[in-house]
Amino acid sequence: DQQVKQNSPSLSVQEGRISILNCDYTNSMFDYFLWYKKYPAEGPTFLISISSIKDKNEDGRFTVFLNKSAKHLSLHIVPSQPGDSAVYFCAASGSFGNEKLTFGTGTRLTIIP
Amino acid sequence: EAQVTQNPRYLITVTGKKLTVTCSQNMNHEYMSWYRQDPGLGLRQIYYSMNVEVTDKGDVPEGYKVSRKEKRNFPLILESPSPNQTSLYFCASSNSGRAAYEQYFGPGTRLTVT
Repeated sequence: DQQVKQNSPSLSVQEGRISILNCDYTNSMFDYFLWYKKYPAEGPTFLISISSIKDKNEDGRFTVFLNKSAKHLSLHIVPSQPGDSAVYFCAASGSFGNEKLTFGTGTRLTIIP
Repeated sequence: EAQVTQNPRYLITVTGKKLTVTCSQNMNHEYMSWYRQDPGLGLRQIYYSMNVEVTDKGDVPEGYKVSRKEKRNFPLILESPSPNQTSLYFCASSNSGRAAYEQYFGPGTRLTVT
């Protein structure tokens, strides 16, 4: 039972354009959502997060949008750079006291120079 | 340097031979966790700990044990490894008792069980 889904295993985007990565979830008890980025042979690194009380959070080139009614979040990268080529995982956690973290299956983003 | 270390980085073992993968962090973090990464399944949480002597199951705890006797260490124990535990394992820690905050991941341990 995959509670966090990333339906696109891969995505290719031209350098300088916008990359949009999508994530859907089924558990309405999720309270926080995070994006992690992973390069080969390294551990994941935190990118950006959003609380369920917000619908948008921005950090430099990265913006996360949350649509609670649709149980959908997306990560926008503008402009895309070659160094953004990596696997991106979305993750979700519950409210205080429920400290499990559930990840999606990941999307491999390739930025084409 | 602030980091999460895991040992060993690579391990090949046989079915049924008990093993321990160590995880240590030098950031005085409260939250620590173990994940496994498998093709097509992403990252799945095995166990987590919100502080010393406080551990809880993640989504795939079967076949694993953990302990948190000191704040800095969080070893993962496979009492009787099986081939379906062949995977890439990551340890992570966070400067809070919450999963919702940024976690710092170790470099990974690639385990093969034959």
